[in-house]
Formats: sequence, C-alpha cells, structure tokens
Amino acid sequence: SQQGEEDPQALSIQEGENATMNCSYKTSINNLQWYRQNSGRGLVHLILIRSNEREKHSGRLRVTLDTSKKSSSLLITASRAADTASYFCATDVVSNFGNEKLTFGTGTRLTIIP
Amino acid sequence: KAGVTQTPRYLIKTRGQQVTLSCSPISGHRSVSWYQQTPGQGLQFLFEYFSETQRNKGNFPGRFSGRQFSNSRSEMNVSTLELGDSALYLCASSLMKGVSYEQYFGPGTRLTVT
Repeated sequence: SQQGEEDPQALSIQEGENATMNCSYKTSINNLQWYRQNSGRGLVHLILIRSNEREKHSGRLRVTLDTSKKSSSLLITASRAADTASYFCATDVVSNFGNEKLTFGTGTRLTIIP
Repeated sequence: KAGVTQTPRYLIKTRGQQVTLSCSPISGHRSVSWYQQTPGQGLQFLFEYFSETQRNKGNFPGRFSGRQFSNSRSEMNVSTLELGDSALYLCASSLMKGVSYEQYFGPGTRLTVT
C-alpha cells in the first residue's frame, strides 16, 4: 500500500484563489518532499521539509508538517493557470535493515480555471 | 547545467522481450534512482545507485535490474517483459547518497508492452 495518501484526489479552483492539499503517511520519516508533475512528464521538486521543522515557505508555497499526526499540507497562494498539475508528497522510509525507499503519495490533481 | 536525460523517450516491446533504458544524471550528481509510474500503482521506487553500487531497492522482482557506470550514467534492464510492465519509467539524480534529498527527475521513458 502507499506510504502517503493525498487529499483531495482532485481539486479545481479559480485563478487567484489559494489551493490546499494534504498528505498523510504511516511511518516515521527523516524528510518530507513535495513534487509537481505536468501531464505524464518528469517530476519537479518543490520543497523539502525536515522532520524537526514545522513550517517552510518558498515563494507562493507554504508547507506544514505535523509529525505527531503524520501529516503535511501544501498551500499554493494566488494560484495561476501554470500551477495546473499533479502534486505528490514523498517520504523517505527506512527499513530495519537500513534500506531506504522514497515513497510517493497518490497525488492531487490540481486544475486552475482561468 | 544540463538536466537529467533519459533515452529512449518512447519504446514499444513485445511480451517476453527484454529492454534497457538509459539515464544520464546532472553533471556532478553521483546518485541515480529509478521509479516506475503506472495509473494503478502510482509512483514506485525501483532502486538507487551511488558510486556504481546499488544502495537501496524497492519491492520489485528480480526481472528488474540496473547498473551504474563510473561516469554516473545508469541503465535499467527489464527482462521477460510482461504486459503489466507498461509504464512511465523515471530516472532521478541527486547530489547526495540516499533518497532523503532533493531528486532531479528526467522526462521519463514511456514503455508499452504488447
């Protein structure tokens, strides 16, 4: 099963509005990352937040992390048509044997209506 | 700096055949990871190579293998192709060893198995 589950699965908003998407995960993490993907192309890294951080900003992006609830949120302010994409959270999962895996959530499909 | 490149971009193979995909990381990056993306399973981690050694691996059968060369370029091989191997295969490079760091993704190779 997926380590991360994102909510909502799809979101449509008017240009200029704010978009919020959430990610929940199951196991302890070192870092949580958010990525954007445009229509079946490669992923673009947006922001990384460490497990000892609670909030991080980058331009119009704001990410929060609540390790007690094992959840994170991504806020995009003043949305633009170019923000239309799928957004994924990714967590690093380390097994007892030290094997690391980067595990992606199911993604939120964001559509900005001009 | 040139980004991550993947070749070929599109590939059509027949069940039972084998395929080799290639990835050239960003100059100076020594970590290369591979991911499979399908509509049903989402984004799944295959393996990570660093300094020509496989460091981490996901939960895929032995038909999926890879290697990394001394110039950090990586290849992924899938033997005895199955219909379910049809997917977008993404390669990502990173400056640091492990998956807990910002990953730079290539555009992907879309593999169709008929």
